Amino acid sequence: EAGVTQSPTHLIKTRGQQATLRCSPISGHTSVYWYQQALGLGLQFLLWYDEGEERNRGNFPPRFSGRQFPNYSSELNVNALELEDSALYLCASSLLGETYGYTFGSGTRLTVV
Amino acid sequence: QQPVQSPQAVILREGEDAVINCSSSKALYSVHWYRQKHGEAPVFLMILLKGGEQKGHDKISASFNEKKQQSSLYLTASQLSYSGTYFCGTSSGGYNKLIFGAGTRLAVHP
Repeated sequence: EAGVTQSPTHLIKTRGQQATLRCSPISGHTSVYWYQQALGLGLQFLLWYDEGEERNRGNFPPRFSGRQFPNYSSELNVNALELEDSALYLCASSLLGETYGYTFGSGTRLTVV
Repeated sequence: QQPVQSPQAVILREGEDAVINCSSSKALYSVHWYRQKHGEAPVFLMILLKGGEQKGHDKISASFNEKKQQSSLYLTASQLSYSGTYFCGTSSGGYNKLIFGAGTRLAVHP
């Protein structure tokens, strides 16, 4: 069974540009979560999508947005990139419900120069 | 609110035991535990639901004290493969988001 896949693996952008990160969940998983992991720090919650709807949002500015497609894949968009946006962006998927663990992808390393 | 993990770092010799704690100021419905090795994605270890149950597989187990809003991860007879950063993630229920602690770095040496 294929795991959670994220693309691209690495992304280098210039300050002020836009970045688009993509995530394909495990087959059958309807929930997709996005987390930001800055160097040496923990996982900061960004967004949660389920069945195409945004279910919850973390304390990030509106320039962080995303969507979930009918096939449950998801993309994260970051507009007006700032240097401090440089981080590893992790996507995770799960079945909907409190009793299910998350399966994480390997992440997209975003570097803003 | 982010759960608090302690200790921040642990250094062990192979075969030694360790306990990692996770506490929250909010009422909890579930606690997740994950391990992340350097340069890799976090890997799910186990989930505990309110009710004070204890879970485990192999030599890694965990407990959840709902009243104290605390969970502890127990690593017994540690192996080199246990090295990594351990994160607890907590949810207050109602399909709420999972909030992770800052992590505990565990290094196991021969």
